[in-house]
Amino acid sequence: SQTIHQWPATLVQPVGSPLSLECTVEGTSNPNLYWYRQAAGRGLQLLFYSVGIGQISSEVPQNLSASRPQDRQFILSSKKLLLSDSGFYLCAWSPDRGKAFFGQGTRLTVV
Amino acid sequence: AQTVTQSQPEMSVQEAETVTLSCTYDTSESDYYLFWYKQPPSRQMILVIRQEAYKQQNATENRFSVNFQKAAKSFSLKISDSQLGDAAMYFCASLAGNTPLVFGKGTRLSVIA
Repeated sequence: SQTIHQWPATLVQPVGSPLSLECTVEGTSNPNLYWYRQAAGRGLQLLFYSVGIGQISSEVPQNLSASRPQDRQFILSSKKLLLSDSGFYLCAWSPDRGKAFFGQGTRLTVV
Repeated sequence: AQTVTQSQPEMSVQEAETVTLSCTYDTSESDYYLFWYKQPPSRQMILVIRQEAYKQQNATENRFSVNFQKAAKSFSLKISDSQLGDAAMYFCASLAGNTPLVFGKGTRLSVIA
């Protein structure tokens, strides 16, 4: 079956520390992968999307970066977190154009 | 580029009544898909219903149905016999080709007992 794993679920990090959020997909190959951020009570802001290994498109200039080292792995990173990086981060995948599924999300608090 | 617009930040409905959430979209693609997602307080994104643009028939899933007006680029969600568990944020989204999944800003639905 097709599943998506996103971790950690909750993270509290100090300002200036690095960040690594990981998302992996099982049961499919060459999916489109996405990272979204959601501020409290707000909509979803697309951060990055990838249509294949090593192919990353950035939607918003920011303190974050993304990488896709393997077909079914998508990583969101930062070298130095800012307070404004706090939020709820969602990984999503699309096995084909007609479907899209989400991970459980990571609640990041930068203190 | 795709855009999705939800013009109702908040809606409320009495339990057992019917409510309609509005969504309009814009895309230059001829082949695309439209979705409604529900986000409860847990913040998990749950797919409610999807519509293939090439299908004229409106999608239905139990108490949830859509009114897909392709010419008007409108995709509204109707919830019948509303239940307390339907209270959540609802997001409209579109997906076309290899372009990203694009969301509206959401509508917060309250259900009044």
